[in-house]
Amino acid sequence: DQQVKQNSPSLSVQEGRISILNCDYTNSMFDYFLWYKKYPAEGPTFLISISSIKDKNEDGRFTVFLNKSAKHLSLHIVPSQPGDSAVYFCAASAIDDKIIFGKGTRLHILP
Amino acid sequence: GAGVSQSPSNKVTEKGKDVELRCDPISGHTALYWYRQSLGQGLEFLIYFQGNSAPDKSGLPSDRFSAERTGGSVSTLTIQRTQQEDSAVYLCASSFLGRGLSTDTQYFGPGTRLTVL
Repeated sequence: DQQVKQNSPSLSVQEGRISILNCDYTNSMFDYFLWYKKYPAEGPTFLISISSIKDKNEDGRFTVFLNKSAKHLSLHIVPSQPGDSAVYFCAASAIDDKIIFGKGTRLHILP
Repeated sequence: GAGVSQSPSNKVTEKGKDVELRCDPISGHTALYWYRQSLGQGLEFLIYFQGNSAPDKSGLPSDRFSAERTGGSVSTLTIQRTQQEDSAVYLCASSFLGRGLSTDTQYFGPGTRLTVL
C-alpha cells in the first residue's frame, strides 16, 4: 500500500513558466514532508521541507504547499529553469519514524 | 570528499552469487540508512543505523539481506544468493542526528547499480 503517491510519472514545462509537482499521502500520522531532487547517476539531494504545523514554506524559486485536510502537498518552481530538469521525490515521515518516498515525477524543462 | 561515497558504482553479478556494497558516510554523522530503488519505483527503505543502538532492519526484504556498520562509520550491505529481482540501485544516506529529529536532513551517496543476470 503506497503511503506517498506521486501520480504523474512525468511533467513537461516551458522554461520560465511555473512547474507544479503534486503529491498525495494516506497516513494521517505524517508530520513532516520533504522534496528531494535527483539527477541521473547521482543520489537524491534535499530540496525543501515543511512541517505539518505550516501550510506553506518558501525558499527562493521553490515553494511547498501543504493541505492537511486533503492530505496533499505540492511543489511549485517559478520560474522554471533548464537545470530544474530532474526527478523529484516527495517524501513524508511521522515523528521518529522512517521517511517514506513516492515513486518520483520526472520534470522536463523545455527551451 | 565531504559527501557520502559508495562503491562500487556498478556491479554485475550472476544469480546465486553474493555481493557486498560499501558506504562511507559523511564524517561525524551518527545515522546511516540504506535504500534501494527498483526500476520505476520510489526509494524503498532497507535498514537504519543510529549510533550504538540496534539497527532498524524492518525494511530488509528477506534474510538474504544483511548489513553491518563497523565502528560507527563505514557500512556494508550484503546480499547473499542474489536473485534477478534484487537488481536495483542501492542508495546509502547519512544524517547528523538520525530519526529522532524529523528535520535532520539525509545526504545521499550516488548509489550502486546492481544487475543480477
